[in-house]
Amino acid sequence: QKEVEQDPGPLSVPEGAIVSLNCTYSNSAFQYFMWYRQYSRKGPELLMYTYSSGNKEDGRFTAQVDKSSKYISLFIRDSQPSDSATYLCAMSALGSNYQLIWGAGTKLIIKP
Amino acid sequence: DTAVSQTPKYLVTQMGNDKSIKCEQNLGHDTMYWYKQDSKKFLKIMFSYNNKELIINETVPNRFSPKSPDKAHLNLHINSLELGDSAVYFCASSRAEAGELFFGEGSRLTVL
Repeated sequence: QKEVEQDPGPLSVPEGAIVSLNCTYSNSAFQYFMWYRQYSRKGPELLMYTYSSGNKEDGRFTAQVDKSSKYISLFIRDSQPSDSATYLCAMSALGSNYQLIWGAGTKLIIKP
Repeated sequence: DTAVSQTPKYLVTQMGNDKSIKCEQNLGHDTMYWYKQDSKKFLKIMFSYNNKELIINETVPNRFSPKSPDKAHLNLHINSLELGDSAVYFCASSRAEAGELFFGEGSRLTVL
């Protein structure tokens, strides 16, 4: 079993829909949770960063962490074609030199 | 101004050759990384340097050797290239006390 599981998709939704992207993990020591967005032929860029449990909102994006279920989510409201990309979750534990453990990435396609 | 820049962007070479990829960051970060991304988009850390010192060295063949002349630069040298080395190699940097990575645009290596 991988430490971080993420459905690779692709996930295809119509423009304007609410998108839900998820990762599950097995290591209860993870404290830092991140979502990165990667456009085709580009490097990943940090989208959301959350410490421990709870929600964080930034514009159309909301990150949720449920440590009791070892489950994190990224919601995108009013999705746009420009949101089409691969979304990667990443997480790390205290004392791990902030070594990130990555999900496989979910390819998201927003249809106009 | 590009924060993390790596060269070359594309590299096509024959099996058995030696090649280098260079990386520079102008963010003032203390930690730099090399990642390999395979055709399925899975990101795998190869090396991590903090203030020119190696702190993470995942299981990679000895043919791969990182070199950090100063904390703004981390180069990757690959000897005796093999077909399986074909991938996109990403350089990244972060502040030592945070897990947020900033990535370069990637160097796409094709070994024929």
